[in-house]
Amino acid sequence: DSGVTQTPKHLITATGQRVTLRCSPRSGDLSVYWYQQSLDQGLQFLIQYYNGEERAKGNILERFSAQQFPDLHSELNLSSLELGDSALYFCASSVTPRAITDTQYFGPGTRLTVL
Amino acid sequence: AQKITQTQPGMFVQEKEAVTLDCTYDTSDPSYGLFWYKQPSSGEMIFLIYQGSYDQQNATEGRYSLNFQKARKSANLVISASQLGDSAMYFCAMREGSGNTPLVFGKGTRLSVIA
Repeated sequence: DSGVTQTPKHLITATGQRVTLRCSPRSGDLSVYWYQQSLDQGLQFLIQYYNGEERAKGNILERFSAQQFPDLHSELNLSSLELGDSALYFCASSVTPRAITDTQYFGPGTRLTVL
Repeated sequence: AQKITQTQPGMFVQEKEAVTLDCTYDTSDPSYGLFWYKQPSSGEMIFLIYQGSYDQQNATEGRYSLNFQKARKSANLVISASQLGDSAMYFCAMREGSGNTPLVFGKGTRLSVIA
């Protein structure tokens, strides 16, 4: 158990809908990362937050947004869902993103299925 | 250009034998970190081992060791005394520079341990 929690574990929804994925980082970790894992694209970095502020952005679609709250939990919002958004979405957390040694610990993931 | 290359899509190893999973990387940054993660069929991503570009010694963590050859830009994972529970996908990842750079993952190697 990495200490990172993600809810829900599974999510099934229809095209055009909007969903929210939730992540709670490990105790003491200030940085949260979101990744998408799909069969064709592999593991792709989406976005990073540090202590409530956006710090880095990857291949995140405009239909997707995220935020980190004062209690450090984070939410990833996916809207106007398409079939191709079906994937495993991971949240990871770390202590000190400025250090190259900083290790990211991953949550169990949320498996999103868009029908 | 692909920054992390894992050339072995699938590997088989006999139980109790050692196995090497290959990873080559591409960067011009002198400061970088290399990480290996394990993803069992249950889906979670488990951190295994870290190697920094300035580390003089190869990293070891229990049965995991990293064969780091800087000049060849390779960071192969060695698993000694393979166990059935080692059957999983293994991902090599890299983080360049310092400060808020995301992990870039390879496509992974599926390891199957045979009894």
